[in-house]
Amino acid sequence: DAGVTQSPTHLIKTRGQQVTLRCSPKSGHDTVSWYQQALGQGPQFIFQYYEEEERQRGNFPDRFSGHQFPNYSSELNVNALLLGDSALYLCASEYEWGVSSYNEQFFGPGTRLTVL
Amino acid sequence: AQSVTQLDSQVPVFEEAPVELRCNYSSSVSVYLFWYVQYPNQGLQLLLKYLSGSTLVKGINGFEAEFNKSQTSFHLRKPSVHISDTAEYFCAVSDAHQGGSEKLVFGKGTKLTVNP
Repeated sequence: DAGVTQSPTHLIKTRGQQVTLRCSPKSGHDTVSWYQQALGQGPQFIFQYYEEEERQRGNFPDRFSGHQFPNYSSELNVNALLLGDSALYLCASEYEWGVSSYNEQFFGPGTRLTVL
Repeated sequence: AQSVTQLDSQVPVFEEAPVELRCNYSSSVSVYLFWYVQYPNQGLQLLLKYLSGSTLVKGINGFEAEFNKSQTSFHLRKPSVHISDTAEYFCAVSDAHQGGSEKLVFGKGTKLTVNP
């Protein structure tokens, strides 16, 4: 059973460009969350997708957008890249058992984005 | 708003020595608490979690943590560390009241280095 997979592994972009990162959730999972981990910091929540809609959002500008597809895979898009967007972007998936249940998040290996 | 403070950014220890990684949290509601481990160039792996019940939680790789509500702490311990425990450790909190899929709020991490 494959876990959470992300592509690409590494990416180098220049300021002002746009980037798309991809995530395939663990088999059977229907919810995907994205986190940004800057160097030397803990991960910060960007947003979460469930049933193809953004359900929660962290404190990130509108330059960060996402999408979830019918097969539950997800994309993270970042427009007008800034140097400060350089980070490890982590995707986490889970199965939505219900609002009264705890749902464990499983993390992928991340995509390392470098903005020059 | 929730927050997590990991009191030590780096903890060096010798192999087979005990270790404690400290974590304090701030929240106005009931919480779930987690410890994750991140090996170099990898994603996050769940070590253990506190959802409810016994305040002493046992996890993988011989780690355990104790939830102390009065001190708002969730310190991670291991009685005897191995070289292979060298990694970055993150404490995280999520809102328990909402249930279901809740964002994780992470601390900045503690780098544990086990020396021979």
